[in-house]
Amino acid sequence: IAGITQAPTSQILAAGRRMTLRCTQDMRHNAMYWYRQDLGLGLRLIHYSNTAGTTGKGEVPDGYSVSRANTDDFPLTLASAVPSQTSVYFCASSDSPDTGELFFGEGSRLTVL
Amino acid sequence: GQNIDQPTEMTATEGAIVQINCTYQTSGFNGLFWYQQHAGEAPTFLSYNVLDGLEEKGRFSSFLSRSKGYSYLLLKELQMKDSASYLCAVLDSNYQLIWGAGTKLIIKP
Repeated sequence: IAGITQAPTSQILAAGRRMTLRCTQDMRHNAMYWYRQDLGLGLRLIHYSNTAGTTGKGEVPDGYSVSRANTDDFPLTLASAVPSQTSVYFCASSDSPDTGELFFGEGSRLTVL
Repeated sequence: GQNIDQPTEMTATEGAIVQINCTYQTSGFNGLFWYQQHAGEAPTFLSYNVLDGLEEKGRFSSFLSRSKGYSYLLLKELQMKDSASYLCAVLDSNYQLIWGAGTKLIIKP
């Protein structure tokens, strides 16, 4: 099935633990993004990648890291989770970094206790 | 700073018409986008405006006035399945998407 796949769908995590959210797309899109969505706030960009091998910081990058070893995969890692990182995380991709037409994964709901 | 404003919540009746407004102040402009997001689901792309005027796509239309920093999404012949949040986003001069907080649309029978 074409599109973006995120895993896990949901996770409860103890504070201080390391966690990686996985994201894979099969549309051969150049650009990929990680957003978090919190109630009452707009989508906030955590990190992005305009093309394989490059990454950049978004609006709220602290506490998160990403890698883009190939076109398809863009994992997001929380090195030491804190309760403020409780959120819904969306991975997205676009054909070009110059477009606002994004394709989103189904989201990963993360709860940090 | 960059800012996008849209109403938090709106209520409309099945079969009616509703207009969701969005005003923006951004560093440059490379297009305005509307997304639909059903509860518990991912956002999906609805429309794109880069020039002033109205873009129509079936029951949905989107309008842009760049001089006023204003857009609206018009939904006609409302159906219960249109109950969702509608997100307005602007692509700024650095090609970064700036997102509004979304408008939750409640459709009543």
